[in-house]
Amino acid sequence: DAKTTQPTSMDCAEGRAANLPCNHSTISGNEYVYWYRQIHSQGPQYIIHGLKNNETNEMASLIITEDRKSSTLILPHATLRDTAVYYCIVRNSGGYQKVTFGTGTKLQVIP
Amino acid sequence: ETGVTQTPRHLVMGMTNKKSLKCEQHLGHNAMYWYKQSAKKPLELMFVYNFKEQTENNSVPSRFSPECPNSSHLFLHLHTLQPEDSALYLCASSPGVAGTNRRWEQYFGPGTRLTVT
Repeated sequence: DAKTTQPTSMDCAEGRAANLPCNHSTISGNEYVYWYRQIHSQGPQYIIHGLKNNETNEMASLIITEDRKSSTLILPHATLRDTAVYYCIVRNSGGYQKVTFGTGTKLQVIP
Repeated sequence: ETGVTQTPRHLVMGMTNKKSLKCEQHLGHNAMYWYKQSAKKPLELMFVYNFKEQTENNSVPSRFSPECPNSSHLFLHLHTLQPEDSALYLCASSPGVAGTNRRWEQYFGPGTRLTVT
């Protein structure tokens, strides 16, 4: 699976959009971009994933650059409950293979 | 409610004890996973089961013994653990292998906080 690079931490004001970047310059054509988050002392939670088109769901939007070497997770109106560690993962569409979560970005939403 | 439950939520055990962690998923998934999360370290995949068969053992010491009696239940049997095994143990499930790209979408339980004294 391709390696990802994320900033260690970010702050975001409550009510503003949180934009979390991820670099995956070695991504291959059949690899998807997945985002998870882990709120303190809880299990990780799936957020969104995409291949090359931008995606949106009730939690977030995922913007993938045209060359697919980077992506941005957008939380449109951050709340205090969005404070968590956000993991960007790239992998192929196969099922259960080993996945590396990395250290993620610690997002702190500030009142 | 994630559909994946784990018991107990907290466990303190001595190095000579034998205990078991339990995971149950109510999502109809076919694949189940054990992860270990130590303080300030990334999630580490330990074991993967697919249709009750173990498909991945990520060089885990034999003092950790998994068991998957059916696709809904997963156990992690613990014996003669070391203090460095203290961590959050997370169970996850996913729909299963092959097919659409959603097959890998993992749903995690709340974890068991294990302390080895």
